[in-house]
Amino acid sequence: SQTIHQWPATLVQPVGSPLSLECTVEGTSNPNLYWYRQAAGRGLQLLFYSVGIGQISSEVPQNLSASRPQDRQFILSSKKLLLSDSGFYLCAWSVQSYNEQFFGPGTRLTVL
Amino acid sequence: RKEVEQDPGPFNVPEGATVAFNCTYSNSASQSFFWYRQDCRKEPKLLMSVYSSGNEDGRFTAQLNRASQYISLLIRDSKLSDSATYLCVVNKGTGNQFYFGTGTSLTVIP
Repeated sequence: SQTIHQWPATLVQPVGSPLSLECTVEGTSNPNLYWYRQAAGRGLQLLFYSVGIGQISSEVPQNLSASRPQDRQFILSSKKLLLSDSGFYLCAWSVQSYNEQFFGPGTRLTVL
Repeated sequence: RKEVEQDPGPFNVPEGATVAFNCTYSNSASQSFFWYRQDCRKEPKLLMSVYSSGNEDGRFTAQLNRASQYISLLIRDSKLSDSATYLCVVNKGTGNQFYFGTGTSLTVIP
């Protein structure tokens, strides 16, 4: 069966510090991978998606970036965090573009 | 107009009640439709896909109306454990993006 891991679960970072969130998927090959952010009381906002190694599409301009160094690894990064980067970050995977997505447990980021 | 719109609720219903949620979408090219549930401070979890002919999974029934561009979720015999936020999800029609509704909050009361 497929599983998706995210870490850390919770993170508190000062403004201006760097960020690295990692997501890995097990039990499947060549998945589509996604990063979402959910601000408090709001819907999910797609940040990045990837259909293969090294292929990243960005949905919104921001100070975040994503990378996919391996088939089942997706990393979300920032060089300098802003207060507005606080939120619940969710990684998800799907088999193909139109298929249902499965989410990891998420990382709750607070920027102070 | 938002790509996906849901009534945020909250819906407060007694145990055993039947409750229905609707969700409208704006992109007529959308091809995939889902309902997810999200518990407080947890990740969304797939509840069910929505097929053109309608589909049922136990107490849950999902329907799609392409002409009017809405999907619905019916929950029969509500349980306390059904309390959650229900998210309507629609694919963009092209590419890999999905639109997520902001969710409908359901509380089932003893």
